[in-house]
Amino acid sequence: NAGVTQTPKFRILKIGQSMTLQCAQDMNHNYMYWYRQDPGMGLKLIYYSVGAGITDKGEVPNGYNVSRSTTEDFPLRLELAAPSQTSVYFCASTDRGRNTEAFFGQGTRLTVV
Amino acid sequence: DAKTTQPNSMESNEEEPVHLPCNHSTISGTDYIHWYRQLPSQGPEYVIHGLTSNVNNRMASLAIAEDRKSSTLILHRATLRDAAVYYCILRDFGGATNKLIFGTGTLLAVQP
Repeated sequence: NAGVTQTPKFRILKIGQSMTLQCAQDMNHNYMYWYRQDPGMGLKLIYYSVGAGITDKGEVPNGYNVSRSTTEDFPLRLELAAPSQTSVYFCASTDRGRNTEAFFGQGTRLTVV
Repeated sequence: DAKTTQPNSMESNEEEPVHLPCNHSTISGTDYIHWYRQLPSQGPEYVIHGLTSNVNNRMASLAIAEDRKSSTLILHRATLRDAAVYYCILRDFGGATNKLIFGTGTLLAVQP
C-alpha cells in the first residue's frame, strides 16, 4: 500500500519559472491538503480539497494554484517561482470524519534561486 | 479556527516517561484532539486522537482534561527514536470543511 506519494523529492527552480508538485494517494480519501514548512517552523496550510472538483484556500495560498480532477490526485502549481517559496512541501490525505487520521507524503524540497 | 498552545521545547531522559501538554481553551464540543509527530527530515505521522475519554494505543496515551480545555500526550518510556516535533491539533469542522491547522509544536529532545 503506497499511501501518499509526492514527486519530485527535490527540485531547484530559477526565479520566474513554473512547476507542478505532484501528489497522489491510493486510499480513496476524500480530503487532501498541501502544506509548506519553512526551516525550523511548523506546517502552514496552502490549499485543501474535500473532494474532486472542490478546492479552497488555506492559510498561505498566495502564489499557488491547485486542481482536483480525480479523487487520487491533487497537484500544486507554482506559476512564477520566487525565493520566498523555497520550502519543503507536504501533501496529506484523510478520510471523512473528525476521528480519522491523516497520512502524509515524504515531502518535496524546493529551492528557488 | 480553534487554536492550540504548546511549549516550544522539552527534554527527557531515555526510558523515562514524558508528558507533553497542550492547551486548547477554545475547543468546540465536537472537535477531536489529534496528535502528530514529525521525525527529522520526514513528513508528520499520526500518533493518537481522542474526544473526551483518555485513550491508549501502542505508541502513546492521551489524557484529556474533564473540561477538554487541555490534553497531555504521554510517552511511557521515551527512546532516542521519539526525538521529534509533536503537534497537537484540533479537527476543524467549519461547515463542510475539514481543515487540519498545525501550530508550532513541541520539540522533544531525548537524552541517552
